[in-house]
Amino acid sequence: EDQVTQSPEALRLQEGESSSLNCSYTVSGLRGLFWYRQDPGKGPEFLFTLYSAGEEKEKERLKATLTKKESFLHITAPKPEDSATYLCVLMTTDSWGKLQFGAGTQVVVTP
Amino acid sequence: DAGVTQSPTHLIKTRGQQVTLRCSPISGHKSVSWYQQVLGQGPQFIFQYYEKEERGRGNFPDRFSARQFPNYSSELNVNALLLGDSALYLCASSLLLAGASYEQYFGPGTRLTVT
Repeated sequence: EDQVTQSPEALRLQEGESSSLNCSYTVSGLRGLFWYRQDPGKGPEFLFTLYSAGEEKEKERLKATLTKKESFLHITAPKPEDSATYLCVLMTTDSWGKLQFGAGTQVVVTP
Repeated sequence: DAGVTQSPTHLIKTRGQQVTLRCSPISGHKSVSWYQQVLGQGPQFIFQYYEKEERGRGNFPDRFSARQFPNYSSELNVNALLLGDSALYLCASSLLLAGASYEQYFGPGTRLTVT
């Protein structure tokens, strides 16, 4: 059975304190791994797509990496506006269009 | 360009009633998917439609149904509402069903409360 697990569940950071979020997965075949951020009561906002092991994507203070079993979202020198829930999402080769979401990591960045 | 739009924003219904939620995809996107997000959990897949045909269905009862119109907008219908149907209902659109672009872009959601 395909599974996606995110850790930690919650993360509290001081402004400027870099950290990493983990997403581990087991799938029969990976078509793509996505990272989204979600603010309370709003729809998820697309951040990155990773397709193959070794791939890296960057956007401002965020960097996503992918291995065969894990993905990491690195937050460098975070600011309070980076506070959100970060969702790791899979699309497998046998489920066109169906996204499988992890439970998310809730990040709070304090000034 | 306008993003994915959903209506209504909020909705309060009574147990046993029926509800229809609406979604307009990003212009040019032909695929629409629906997700249910219960408070504190990640979204759960309900349906995917592409070119007006159902292409995927999640583990939801037959009380849930959907359709896609020729202009690619979509409706999600839920009959015989239960308290457990209270959730944020999210619509997402994508450019292609298969190919290089798999990213799905989400709307703001419809908050459904069943009393």
